[in-house]
Formats: sequence, structure tokens, C-alpha cells
Amino acid sequence: RKEVEQDPGPFNVPEGATVAFNCTYSNSASQSFFWYRQDCRKEPKLLMSVYSSGNEDGRFTAQLNRASQYISLLIRDSKLSDSATYLCVVPRNPGFQKLVFGTGTRLLVSP
Amino acid sequence: NAGVTQTPKFQVLKTGQSMTLQCAQDMNHEYMSWYRQDPGMGLRLIHYSVGAGITDQGEVPNGYNVSRSTTEDFPLRLLSAAPSQTSVYFCASSDSEKLFFGSGTQLSVL
Repeated sequence: RKEVEQDPGPFNVPEGATVAFNCTYSNSASQSFFWYRQDCRKEPKLLMSVYSSGNEDGRFTAQLNRASQYISLLIRDSKLSDSATYLCVVPRNPGFQKLVFGTGTRLLVSP
Repeated sequence: NAGVTQTPKFQVLKTGQSMTLQCAQDMNHEYMSWYRQDPGMGLRLIHYSVGAGITDQGEVPNGYNVSRSTTEDFPLRLLSAAPSQTSVYFCASSDSEKLFFGSGTQLSVL
């Protein structure tokens, strides 16, 4: 299994839809997880951190399933501005010096 | 507040040439790192530093050198550019688990 694996998409959804992405990871000792957002030809930016079972921030919810070793990102009421690539990130070590990035899931929200 | 500044934004090199990608941050972060991003692959760590005078290798360090003489600056040197080093390079800094990225350098090696 790859260290971090994501469905590349693209996920094409209409405005207002709810969409969810999954990310699987191989290191069962991982304690923290992150979702970064990357717009086309731009730098990644932190969207959410996940330390326990999950985290919620407005329309975005991240959930962690340790037994199955995956994290998910749920976006409710999708906006055109949510169109981007969403990167799943897992630290390789507890000190966060070595982060493993997934290849990203591309989301396209259409009017 | 500039954050993380990378230069240049674009660069074309010939095989065998050397160059330095510059990275500077003004947030007084101890941790800095360099990643490369290639199509179909996640960002891969090249080198990182946990403070001035301290550097270590990431997962793809071959062909690259770094040094950290100050907290602010973390340049990445390509010793002898190869076509396999064609990529988008991102510098990042952090004081915790949150990475702040520069805007990237698109490098083409012909």
C-alpha cells in the first residue's frame, strides 16, 4: 500500500452539492492528518487539521477512521470557489519534519 | 507581511548548468523545507532544516544541495541540472504542523 493514497478525480459536482473524498494511509501509528487545498498553479494552503476522530469548519468536515486507516473530507453546499485540488497529508514522523503528500483529488464545481 | 518568498518564478536551464533557487521567510520559523511537485505525484521532500546550521535529507535529495546560514534563508542549489529535475519547486516554512508555502518556481531543464 502507498503511504498516502487518494482518488485523483476529477469530481464534477454542481453548485450546492455535497461531495466527499477519501484518503487512505499506511502508517497505523500516524496521529495527525491534514488537508491542504491547492489552486491551479498555486501553492498549497492548509485547509484543516485532524487529530482525533474529526474536525469541522463551516462547510468542511474531516473525519478519521483509524480502524480502516482513512480520512475523509466532506464539503457541503459546494461553491464555485471550492474548485481546487485537495491534498491529503500525513506526517512520516511525530515531529512533522517529514510530511507525506497524497497526489491530490481534483474538484470541479459547476454552475 | 511577505511570508515565504521564492525566486525566480520561472527558470529554463540547459543540461549541466547549475543554479540556486532562493527562499526567504520573515516569520522567524525554525523549520524550512524544499519540495518538488511532478504530475501524478504528490509533493516530495527534497531537503529540510530545523534551524540555522542544521539540514537533513528528504526522500529525493540527489542532485540538490542546501545550506542554512540564517533563520530567514534556505537556498536550494542544483549542482548539474538534468532533465529529470524539470519540476515545480516549493519552499515552505513552519513553526508547528502548519506549512506556509512560497509561490513556487517552475523549472525546465532542456
